[in-house]
Amino acid sequence: GAGVSQSPRYKVAKRGQDVALRCDPISGHVSLFWYQQALGQGPEFLTYFQNEAQLDKSGLPSDRFFAERPEGSVSTLKIQRTQQEDSAVYLCASSLAERGGSRGNEQFFGPGTRLTVL
Amino acid sequence: LAKTTQPISMDSYEGQEVNITCSHNNIATNDYITWYQQFPSQGPRFIIQGYKTKVTNEVASLFIPADRKSSTLSLPRVSLSDTAVYYCLVVGLGANNLFFGTGTRLTVIP
Repeated sequence: GAGVSQSPRYKVAKRGQDVALRCDPISGHVSLFWYQQALGQGPEFLTYFQNEAQLDKSGLPSDRFFAERPEGSVSTLKIQRTQQEDSAVYLCASSLAERGGSRGNEQFFGPGTRLTVL
Repeated sequence: LAKTTQPISMDSYEGQEVNITCSHNNIATNDYITWYQQFPSQGPRFIIQGYKTKVTNEVASLFIPADRKSSTLSLPRVSLSDTAVYYCLVVGLGANNLFFGTGTRLTVIP
């Protein structure tokens, strides 16, 4: 079946603009995660959903970052008043299991959205 | 989250076996050792996971000594397409996020 998809793949924004990044997880996956990956670094956790509930947003770097998953499937990561330091690849991942599931919570990643803030 | 330490980069010739060692001195009883692979312009992909001793699948083998303070990912007979970044993670059962670190950049040379 289809994997995790993300759109757009590339986004260029002027400093101060708002952006919205979309994630379509694998159908039936309960858990959804957002990560931020700076150039040359590993992905860093932003936030986690179990169905429509946002259970952990401890990784969101500021209150300019907001994520939602209103119907427990598609998720949107919104960044308000973008800054240059927000330039990164934003990765979405989904997982079949709820917290405490088997297989150590294997996560399936999308290709990411590369955000460049000028 | 237990931190991991792994080499920043490695080079290997095609056809050779590659072993990437990761140390995780503070691993907890409920933690699993998990490896992900990431190609350029793609998201990470799960390779293998283990708790102790040895695990093998169609892609790789994972060796974990009894004290579990380190692990070794073994890639048999690498090809150019194995050039990627490999991340060693320690993941608690029920954890809701993954801590990737900087990974090991493997370059396979013809």
